[in-house]
Amino acid sequence: EDQVTQSPEALRLQEGESSSLNCSYTVSGLRGLFWYRQDPGKGPEFLFTLYSAGEEKEKERLKATLTKKESFLHITAPKPEDSATYLCAVQAPTGGYQKVTFGIGTKLQVIP
Amino acid sequence: DGGITQSPKYLFRKEGQNVTLSCEQNLNHDAMYWYRQDPGQGLRLIYYSQIVNDFQKGDIAEGYSVSREKKESFPLTVTSAQKNPTAFYLCASDMGVNTEAFFGQGTRLTVV
Repeated sequence: EDQVTQSPEALRLQEGESSSLNCSYTVSGLRGLFWYRQDPGKGPEFLFTLYSAGEEKEKERLKATLTKKESFLHITAPKPEDSATYLCAVQAPTGGYQKVTFGIGTKLQVIP
Repeated sequence: DGGITQSPKYLFRKEGQNVTLSCEQNLNHDAMYWYRQDPGQGLRLIYYSQIVNDFQKGDIAEGYSVSREKKESFPLTVTSAQKNPTAFYLCASDMGVNTEAFFGQGTRLTVV
């Protein structure tokens, strides 16, 4: 069974204090790893897709990296508007369907 | 603007009643999904549809039903057989394998 574990569950940072969120996964035949941002009471918003180990993608203050067992979402000099829950998900084939398994998420709070 | 529209945003149901959640997309996506989100748990797949007039059960389909009569629409009915329906429901769509999902803004269902 595919598994996605995100850590920490919650993270509190001062504005400008860089850190990383972790997503560990166990999956057979990874097709893609996705990062989403979710604001309270809203649907998730797509950030990145990573397909193979060694791949990196950046967007503003965010950088996502991928190894064979985990992915990191690095946040450089965060601002209060980066406060949200960050979800990691993996896609892999299961019975003729490309199943997506989500982690519980990391709730990030950035304090001014 | 293209996107996914869920309605209503909030829904209250009396015990023993069936309720239907609406999901409409104008992204021309073939695949559509329904997820349930509960505190402390990752998104769990209820049903998915890869093409019009076809849909498959996800991990937690019991007590739910769907239809896919049009490409744009994928309504979810929460039946009285669902014992714990209070949750945040998310509809999503994507273009196919290895592509990111686009989510609606969610419907919060509460049993009163």
